[in-house]
Amino acid sequence: GAVVSQHPSWVICKSGTSVKIECRSLDFQATTMFWYRQFPKQSLMLMATSNEGSKATYEQGVEKDKFLINHASLTLSTLTVTSAHPEDSSFYICSARDEGRSGHLGETQYFGPGTRLLVL
Amino acid sequence: TQLLEQSPQFLSIQEGENLTVYCNSSSVFSSLQWYRQEPGEGPVLLVTVVTGGEVKKLKRLTFQFGDARKDSSLHITAAQPGDTGLYLCAALNTGGFKTIFGAGTRLFVKA
Repeated sequence: GAVVSQHPSWVICKSGTSVKIECRSLDFQATTMFWYRQFPKQSLMLMATSNEGSKATYEQGVEKDKFLINHASLTLSTLTVTSAHPEDSSFYICSARDEGRSGHLGETQYFGPGTRLLVL
Repeated sequence: TQLLEQSPQFLSIQEGENLTVYCNSSSVFSSLQWYRQEPGEGPVLLVTVVTGGEVKKLKRLTFQFGDARKDSSLHITAAQPGDTGLYLCAALNTGGFKTIFGAGTRLFVKA
């Protein structure tokens, strides 16, 4: 199956600093990647859709200036949490579909292992 | 708005018991995925069902796709503590762009 990696796996930072999270598709190319946020004991909440070579599409209620997304290549998307505050502490997960495959194989989302962010 | 309604939301059972998780919708999907997520990790794909009426087995897990491709179920036989986790069903929306997720079923299997 397709593999998606995330880095770092966890990060602790001081309030007011910025944190960058990387999401890579290791064995396939993805023009589109997705960023999710997950609160404890809850399902995934889609934050934004990352589009290679163009602006990301943000879900309602997600501040685009707060969560900067860059998708500079077909295998890498980054999420930068700017001026992080304790309320930004969460589990962030990225995903991608292997668009080079057809049918249901191209419909399946593959997730990264997640990044746990703790803002002090 | 397309929705996937998952039930139950929470399940706590003893080791050795059987259980079924349901994922229902009023929409027809071309395929549906089941994931398991353990604490501190990303969701891991368990199976994709594609054909109406399809049944897939993965060891003690049995997945079924409804004949009309609107619903699916996950049955676990003789649950073990290692089955503990969050189970999510997911499907691509009609536009074929976003994946929609069920709210998840949190399973806890006690030894």
